[in-house]
Amino acid sequence: EVQLVESGGGLVQPGGSLRLSCAASGFTFSSYSMNWVRQAPGKGLEWVSYISSSSSTIYYADSVKGRFTISRDNAKNSLYLQMNSLRAEDTAVYYCARGRLDFLDAFDIWGQGTMVTVSS
Amino acid sequence: SSELTQDPAVSVALGQTVRITCQGDSLRSYYASWYQQKPGQAPVLVIYGKNNRPSGIPDRFSGSSSGNTASLTITGAQAEDEADYYCNSRDSSGNHPQVVFGGGTKLTVL
Repeated sequence: EVQLVESGGGLVQPGGSLRLSCAASGFTFSSYSMNWVRQAPGKGLEWVSYISSSSSTIYYADSVKGRFTISRDNAKNSLYLQMNSLRAEDTAVYYCARGRLDFLDAFDIWGQGTMVTVSS
Repeated sequence: SSELTQDPAVSVALGQTVRITCQGDSLRSYYASWYQQKPGQAPVLVIYGKNNRPSGIPDRFSGSSSGNTASLTITGAQAEDEADYYCNSRDSSGNHPQVVFGGGTKLTVL
């Protein structure tokens, strides 16, 4: 079964750090680009970051650039998001999502999400 | 960066046809993808590219595009189609490429 499972969410104080992980299974992880997408409580979807299959190309949303770092380990079938200098507005469910091979910005597989709460 | 605009809410009678739209400058250059999200669940891709449905998506879902507007049409809406629908596309208008989502449309099936 094709699956993505996020972990690492939790409660963190403003200015703190957190590292999210996404474990992939059921497909050739190293062939696909991956993304992080977040959703604040009661709000819409917001794309956070993109990483190509070989990690050679990385993009970030303006709202997180300079604070978040996306990475992947193809040997471990895992995607990561290192989040530093966290703010209250970063509070959201964070999803990892796979980009299709033919349309990179069409996300065809999503994890169940992990909640990040930034609060004192 | 560019934005994608969606109507916040749309309703449709059971069995009727509904169109959900998404407007933005990026859609003049890139296709939109469409996602269905039900409460407490992750989004599900329903349409991508010119008008492609992933495996398992009913053929009552279709997509189209004209100018700066992309549309998701549900022909013969079912009760299980009640959900939030989001569009997204690539955006290359800024200093670096990004992906942008619309604000979402809440579909009510009456």
